[in-house]
Amino acid sequence: DAKTTQPTSMDCAEGRAANLPCNHSTISGNEYVYWYRQIHSQGPQYIIHGLKNNETNEMASLIITEDRKSSTLILPHATLRDTAVYYCIVRALTGTASKLTFGTGTRLQVTL
Amino acid sequence: NAGVTQTPKFQVLKTGQSMTLQCAQDMNHNSMYWYRQDPGMGLRLIYYSASEGTTDKGEVPNGYNVSRLNKREFSLRLESAAPSQTSVYFCASSEGGAGRNEQFFGPGTRLTVL
Repeated sequence: DAKTTQPTSMDCAEGRAANLPCNHSTISGNEYVYWYRQIHSQGPQYIIHGLKNNETNEMASLIITEDRKSSTLILPHATLRDTAVYYCIVRALTGTASKLTFGTGTRLQVTL
Repeated sequence: NAGVTQTPKFQVLKTGQSMTLQCAQDMNHNSMYWYRQDPGMGLRLIYYSASEGTTDKGEVPNGYNVSRLNKREFSLRLESAAPSQTSVYFCASSEGGAGRNEQFFGPGTRLTVL
């Protein structure tokens, strides 16, 4: 699976959009971009994933550049409960098990 | 649905002791996983079970054994605990097979080895 690079930490004011970047310049054509988050040492939680089109669900939006070498997770109206470590993971949807390779992620701090 | 449950939540062991971490899921998932997370680090895969009856090594399998007891349960055993195994252990499950395969995680077991 391709390696990802994320900023170590970011701050965001409550109510504003949080834009979390991720670089994955070695991504292969069959690899998807996944985002998980981990709130205060709980188990990670799936947020969203995509291949090349932009995706949106009830939690977030995922914007993937046309060359697929980078992506941005957008939390449109961040709240204090969104304070967490956010992991960008790249993996192919093949095989019989969805092994995930976690980096150190981005620690997002949402403040009043 | 309880999702993924893990027992115990906390455990303190002495070097050389053994113990088994238990994990169960009620989502009828085929695949199950064990990860460890050291302070300030991301999760690392220890072992996984793609389907009932199969297990495979992950990134950091040394010092651990696993058993896929049935479709619901996947246990992790430390035969002779070492201080380097002090960590938070997370169990996860997913539907399995090719596809989206979102993983659902348990609350974790916090293990300290003295």
